[in-house]
Amino acid sequence: EAQVTQNPRYLITVTGKKLTVTCSQNMNHEYMSWYRQDPGLGLRQIYYSMNVEVTDKGDVPEGYKVSRKEKRNFPLILESPSPNQTSLYFCASSLNQPTSGSWYEQYFGPGTRLTVT
Amino acid sequence: RKEVEQDPGPFNVPEGATVAFNCTYSNSASQSFFWYRQDCRKEPKLLMSVYSSGNEDGRFTAQLNRASQYISLLIRDSKLSDSATYLCVVNRRTGNQFYFGTGTSLTVIP
Repeated sequence: EAQVTQNPRYLITVTGKKLTVTCSQNMNHEYMSWYRQDPGLGLRQIYYSMNVEVTDKGDVPEGYKVSRKEKRNFPLILESPSPNQTSLYFCASSLNQPTSGSWYEQYFGPGTRLTVT
Repeated sequence: RKEVEQDPGPFNVPEGATVAFNCTYSNSASQSFFWYRQDCRKEPKLLMSVYSSGNEDGRFTAQLNRASQYISLLIRDSKLSDSATYLCVVNRRTGNQFYFGTGTSLTVIP
Protein backbone atom coordinates (compact mmCIF):
# COMPACT_ATOMS: atom_id res chain seq x y z
CA GLU A 1 0.00 0.00 0.00
CA ALA A 2 1.33 3.42 -1.01
CA GLN A 3 1.71 5.49 2.10
CA VAL A 4 3.58 8.02 4.20
CA THR A 5 4.30 6.91 7.74
CA GLN A 6 5.27 9.03 10.71
CA ASN A 7 6.46 8.05 14.15
CA PRO A 8 5.64 8.65 16.87
CA ARG A 9 2.00 9.62 16.46
CA TYR A 10 1.86 11.26 19.86
CA LEU A 11 4.69 12.65 21.94
CA ILE A 12 4.81 14.58 25.18
CA THR A 13 8.23 15.86 26.10
CA VAL A 14 9.96 18.51 28.16
CA THR A 15 11.71 21.67 27.11
CA GLY A 16 15.22 21.09 25.82
CA LYS A 17 15.09 17.33 25.33
CA LYS A 18 16.16 16.55 21.78
CA LEU A 19 13.69 14.55 19.73
CA THR A 20 13.31 13.18 16.23
CA VAL A 21 10.10 12.55 14.34
CA THR A 22 10.58 10.05 11.55
CA CYS A 23 8.90 10.15 8.16
CA SER A 24 9.07 7.49 5.50
CA GLN A 25 7.35 7.05 2.13
CA ASN A 26 7.23 4.01 -0.14
CA MET A 27 6.20 5.75 -3.38
CA ASN A 28 9.67 6.68 -4.64
CA HIS A 29 8.77 10.36 -4.42
CA GLU A 30 11.51 12.93 -4.83
CA TYR A 31 9.77 15.75 -2.95
CA MET A 32 9.22 15.55 0.78
CA SER A 33 8.11 18.20 3.21
CA TRP A 34 7.29 18.92 6.83
CA TYR A 35 4.40 21.10 7.97
CA ARG A 36 3.08 22.21 11.29
CA GLN A 37 -0.59 22.97 11.85
CA ASP A 38 -1.77 25.38 14.51
CA PRO A 39 -5.28 26.70 15.16
CA GLY A 40 -5.98 29.83 13.16
CA LEU A 41 -2.70 29.57 11.26
CA GLY A 42 -3.29 26.61 9.01
CA LEU A 43 -0.50 24.41 7.72
CA ARG A 44 2.85 26.12 7.45
CA GLN A 45 5.83 24.60 5.70
CA ILE A 46 8.87 24.02 7.90
CA TYR A 47 11.37 22.41 5.51
CA TYR A 48 11.21 20.65 2.21
CA SER A 49 13.50 18.48 0.13
CA MET A 50 13.60 18.17 -3.63
CA ASN A 51 15.73 15.02 -3.51
CA VAL A 52 18.43 13.22 -1.58
CA GLU A 53 20.86 15.64 0.09
CA VAL A 54 18.81 18.66 -1.09
CA THR A 55 16.87 20.49 1.60
CA ASP A 56 15.48 24.02 1.85
CA LYS A 57 13.80 26.16 4.44
CA GLY A 58 10.10 26.78 4.33
CA ASP A 59 8.29 29.57 6.12
CA VAL A 60 8.93 28.50 9.72
CA PRO A 61 12.29 26.66 9.93
CA GLU A 62 13.55 28.15 13.20
CA GLY A 63 14.17 25.51 15.84
CA TYR A 64 14.04 22.59 13.41
CA LYS A 65 16.53 20.55 11.43
CA VAL A 66 16.05 17.98 8.72
CA SER A 67 18.18 15.57 6.73
CA ARG A 68 17.61 13.59 3.56
CA LYS A 69 20.18 10.85 3.35
CA GLU A 70 17.86 8.38 1.65
CA LYS A 71 15.06 9.02 -0.78
CA ARG A 72 12.39 7.39 1.35
CA ASN A 73 13.20 9.03 4.71
CA PHE A 74 12.97 12.64 5.87
CA PRO A 75 13.30 12.95 9.64
CA LEU A 76 12.46 16.15 11.52
CA ILE A 77 14.79 16.98 14.39
CA LEU A 78 14.08 19.32 17.27
CA GLU A 79 17.44 19.87 18.96
CA SER A 80 16.03 21.81 21.91
CA PRO A 81 12.23 21.79 21.85
CA SER A 82 10.33 24.68 23.37
CA PRO A 83 6.64 25.04 24.30
CA ASN A 84 5.96 27.14 21.19
CA GLN A 85 6.75 24.04 19.13
CA THR A 86 3.72 22.29 20.55
CA SER A 87 1.76 21.53 17.42
CA LEU A 88 0.41 18.95 15.00
CA TYR A 89 3.10 17.97 12.50
CA PHE A 90 2.56 16.45 9.07
CA CYS A 91 5.04 14.95 6.68
CA ALA A 92 4.14 14.87 2.99
CA SER A 93 5.63 13.60 -0.24
CA SER A 94 5.03 13.96 -3.94
CA LEU A 95 6.70 13.59 -7.28
CA ASN A 96 8.67 16.67 -8.28
CA GLN A 97 7.07 19.24 -10.49
CA PRO A 98 7.35 18.31 -14.16
CA THR A 99 9.47 20.63 -16.31
CA SER A 100 6.31 22.27 -17.52
CA GLY A 101 2.94 22.17 -15.87
CA SER A 102 1.42 21.96 -12.44
CA TRP A 103 2.69 20.22 -9.38
CA TYR A 104 1.46 16.76 -8.50
CA GLU A 105 -0.61 16.14 -5.38
CA GLN A 106 1.04 15.68 -2.02
CA TYR A 107 0.41 12.60 0.09
CA PHE A 108 0.37 13.24 3.81
CA GLY A 109 1.33 11.11 6.74
CA PRO A 110 -1.15 10.62 9.61
CA GLY A 111 0.38 13.39 11.72
CA THR A 112 2.37 13.64 14.94
CA ARG A 113 0.85 15.48 17.85
CA LEU A 114 3.68 16.98 19.86
CA THR A 115 3.35 18.61 23.25
CA VAL A 116 6.35 20.34 24.82
CA THR A 117 5.97 21.24 28.49
CA ARG B 1 -0.35 40.02 3.52
CA LYS B 2 -1.04 36.29 3.70
CA GLU B 3 -0.14 34.21 0.69
CA VAL B 4 -3.52 32.46 0.74
CA GLU B 5 -6.72 33.54 2.47
CA GLN B 6 -9.93 31.67 3.05
CA ASP B 7 -13.13 32.45 4.87
CA PRO B 8 -12.92 30.15 7.91
CA GLY B 9 -16.69 29.75 8.14
CA PRO B 10 -18.19 27.74 9.64
CA PHE B 11 -20.65 27.00 6.90
CA ASN B 12 -23.65 25.04 8.18
CA VAL B 13 -25.85 23.85 5.34
CA PRO B 14 -28.72 21.37 5.04
CA GLU B 15 -28.32 18.14 3.13
CA GLY B 16 -28.86 18.65 -0.56
CA ALA B 17 -27.78 22.29 -0.52
CA THR B 18 -25.22 23.83 -2.83
CA VAL B 19 -22.33 25.58 -1.15
CA ALA B 20 -19.40 27.53 -2.53
CA PHE B 21 -16.07 28.48 -1.03
CA ASN B 22 -13.62 31.05 -2.29
CA CYS B 23 -9.92 31.35 -1.70
CA THR B 24 -7.78 34.32 -2.67
CA TYR B 25 -4.05 34.25 -3.29
CA SER B 26 -1.72 37.21 -3.20
CA ASN B 27 1.08 36.24 -5.58
CA SER B 28 0.26 36.55 -9.25
CA ALA B 29 3.08 34.09 -10.00
CA SER B 30 1.13 31.27 -8.39
CA GLN B 31 0.85 28.36 -10.78
CA SER B 32 -0.53 25.26 -9.13
CA PHE B 33 -3.80 25.22 -7.22
CA PHE B 34 -5.46 22.53 -5.17
CA TRP B 35 -8.33 21.86 -2.85
CA TYR B 36 -7.63 19.44 -0.03
CA ARG B 37 -10.07 18.04 2.47
CA GLN B 38 -9.20 17.51 6.12
CA ASP B 39 -11.35 15.56 8.56
CA CYS B 40 -11.13 16.34 12.26
CA ARG B 41 -7.33 17.01 12.53
CA LYS B 42 -6.49 14.00 10.40
CA GLU B 43 -4.15 14.29 7.45
CA PRO B 44 -5.22 16.43 4.49
CA LYS B 45 -6.22 14.52 1.38
CA LEU B 46 -6.44 15.83 -2.14
CA LEU B 47 -9.98 16.64 -3.22
CA MET B 48 -9.08 18.04 -6.60
CA SER B 49 -6.49 20.00 -8.50
CA VAL B 50 -7.69 23.23 -10.08
CA TYR B 51 -7.01 23.77 -13.76
CA SER B 52 -7.10 27.01 -15.70
CA SER B 53 -10.20 26.01 -17.62
CA GLY B 54 -12.02 24.86 -14.51
CA ASN B 55 -12.78 21.25 -13.74
CA GLU B 56 -15.49 19.08 -12.34
CA ASP B 57 -15.47 15.82 -10.43
CA GLY B 58 -18.93 14.52 -9.69
CA ARG B 59 -20.64 16.97 -7.34
CA PHE B 60 -17.52 19.12 -7.03
CA THR B 61 -16.53 21.95 -9.37
CA ALA B 62 -13.36 23.99 -9.09
CA GLN B 63 -12.72 27.27 -10.87
CA LEU B 64 -9.67 29.49 -11.22
CA ASN B 65 -9.88 33.23 -11.84
CA ARG B 66 -6.37 34.49 -12.51
CA ALA B 67 -7.44 38.08 -13.13
CA SER B 68 -8.95 38.37 -9.65
CA GLN B 69 -6.55 35.87 -8.11
CA TYR B 70 -9.00 33.49 -6.55
CA ILE B 71 -10.05 29.90 -6.78
CA SER B 72 -13.43 28.53 -5.87
CA LEU B 73 -14.96 25.21 -4.92
CA LEU B 74 -18.62 24.45 -5.51
CA ILE B 75 -20.26 21.46 -3.86
CA ARG B 76 -23.67 20.46 -5.18
CA ASP B 77 -26.20 18.21 -3.44
CA SER B 78 -24.29 18.27 -0.15
CA LYS B 79 -24.02 15.01 1.77
CA LEU B 80 -23.46 14.49 5.48
CA SER B 81 -20.12 12.95 4.54
CA ASP B 82 -19.00 16.27 3.02
CA SER B 83 -18.65 17.71 6.53
CA ALA B 84 -14.97 18.57 6.85
CA THR B 85 -12.50 21.41 6.56
CA TYR B 86 -11.55 22.40 3.02
CA LEU B 87 -8.04 23.69 2.47
CA CYS B 88 -6.94 25.82 -0.42
CA VAL B 89 -3.31 25.30 -1.51
CA VAL B 90 -1.19 27.22 -4.00
CA ASN B 91 2.34 26.93 -5.32
CA ARG B 92 4.30 29.58 -7.14
CA ARG B 93 5.62 29.08 -10.63
CA THR B 94 9.17 29.83 -9.54
CA GLY B 95 9.22 28.09 -6.17
CA ASN B 96 8.98 24.76 -4.53
CA GLN B 97 6.95 25.82 -1.52
CA PHE B 98 3.29 25.19 -0.90
CA TYR B 99 1.04 27.70 0.80
CA PHE B 100 -2.08 26.60 2.60
CA GLY B 101 -5.09 28.59 3.56
CA THR B 102 -6.37 28.23 7.10
CA GLY B 103 -9.30 26.18 5.88
CA THR B 104 -13.06 26.57 5.62
CA SER B 105 -15.19 24.47 7.92
CA LEU B 106 -18.30 22.85 6.47
CA THR B 107 -20.99 21.05 8.42
CA VAL B 108 -23.83 19.44 6.51
CA ILE B 109 -26.92 19.11 8.67
CA PRO B 110 -29.55 16.36 8.26
